[in-house]
Amino acid sequence: SYVLTQPPSVSVAPGKTARITCGGNNIGSKSVHWYQQKPGQAPVLVIYYDSDRPSGIPERFSGSNSGNTATLTISRVEAGDEADYYCQVWDSSSDHLWVFGGGTKLTVL
Amino acid sequence: EVQLVESGGGLVQPGGSLRLSCAASGFTFSSYDMHWVRQATGKGLEWVSAIGTAGDTYYPGSVKGRFTISRENAKNSLYLQMNSLRAGDTAVYYCARGEGGSSGLIDYWGQGTLVTVSS
Repeated sequence: SYVLTQPPSVSVAPGKTARITCGGNNIGSKSVHWYQQKPGQAPVLVIYYDSDRPSGIPERFSGSNSGNTATLTISRVEAGDEADYYCQVWDSSSDHLWVFGGGTKLTVL
Repeated sequence: EVQLVESGGGLVQPGGSLRLSCAASGFTFSSYDMHWVRQATGKGLEWVSAIGTAGDTYYPGSVKGRFTISRENAKNSLYLQMNSLRAGDTAVYYCARGEGGSSGLIDYWGQGTLVTVSS
């Protein structure tokens, strides 16, 4: 099965840049999607197809994907960005065709 | 505005059954793949099942043979029939809309319904 590896936690001061990584074998050949989930709420799509932003998502959110690592970058971090973030891909060879990373808790200091 | 509203969750004994429903609105339901994704308390997201626009279905091994996903396009509704439930199935179950093809994109999620399997 295809495995996506995320750091359990990332901490950043307000106004700084947060980078959340998502590692997977040759993930650069796949489309990566990122979801934000705040406590008690449903996930919200923040980046799709590696680097596209849905309408309503601030430009501070960006994504990249190359080699074995995809990265979600949040610039000028705000307190309201504190949440869990999940990466996700589709892999035809996996038991779980739709594969999620384990999630990263972003803490704004 | 896309809306997905789940219902049908609750407390069920091990070995029991439950049927979840999802009412969709704000988009052409029949044109989209649909998914169920679950999340145990304090844990990550786990994909549970998917159904394509042609009615093709997909499951991971952990639920295959126990869960059945179905859709009723005339009613803009998605269902998940869950049988032989186990304690490990306890989770919030989200209904979600997906894009077809190999992109794997899931773009809208409902608020979820809690399923608790316990004696």
